[in-house]
Amino acid sequence: QVRLVESGGGVVQPGGSLRLSCAASGFAFDRYLIHWVRQAPGRGLEWVAFIRFDESTDNYADSVKGRFTLTRDNSKNTVYLQMNSLRPEDTAIYYCAKEKTVVSVDFFDYWGQGTLVTVSS
Amino acid sequence: DIQMTQSPSSLSASVGDRVTITCRASQTIISYLNWYQQKPGQAPKVLIYAASDLETGVPARFSGSGSGTDFTLTISSLEPEDFATYYCQQTYTMPLTFGPGTKLQIK
Repeated sequence: QVRLVESGGGVVQPGGSLRLSCAASGFAFDRYLIHWVRQAPGRGLEWVAFIRFDESTDNYADSVKGRFTLTRDNSKNTVYLQMNSLRPEDTAIYYCAKEKTVVSVDFFDYWGQGTLVTVSS
Repeated sequence: DIQMTQSPSSLSASVGDRVTITCRASQTIISYLNWYQQKPGQAPKVLIYAASDLETGVPARFSGSGSGTDFTLTISSLEPEDFATYYCQQTYTMPLTFGPGTKLQIK
């Protein structure tokens, strides 16, 4: 069955860096867009970024543009979210999610369980 | 960016009630509107996509309607497992945006 597993979260100081991973299984990983969505404690959902199957296109929310970078290794069925210059407002649970279709952005049909990032001194 | 609003922000209801949640976009999104359900400590789960299409495996008591800027999610008869937070999401244009959520609580 489809499975997405995030890892790499933890506590980091403001200005620091962290790399999250999203390991996928159970589907043709190299055909699908993968998104990241975050949720600050007790708050709503915020879309962060997506990357196409071939890395030809990526897109970021303004709140993270220039600080976060997505890459993927299709041979390892893994997407990486490199987060630099972290701020306290980046504190959240970070989810990766699979796009339903292979050709466009429609909706997210599978999500991981999330990994918590805490930015604090 | 397209702003999404939801009403109400919270709602108390009883098992068996019919419930409607509204989502409004700041500009037209045609039918590029999805609904997700999130329970505490869990990831969101899609219920409705393209405004009115029921995702596979989702009970038929959930339904969606609307187009343009105004959308609704209806639960025809609440079950105990439906008490959760519901989010709408537009995928018409980047950046993708979610509504602030509607928390559905047991009365």
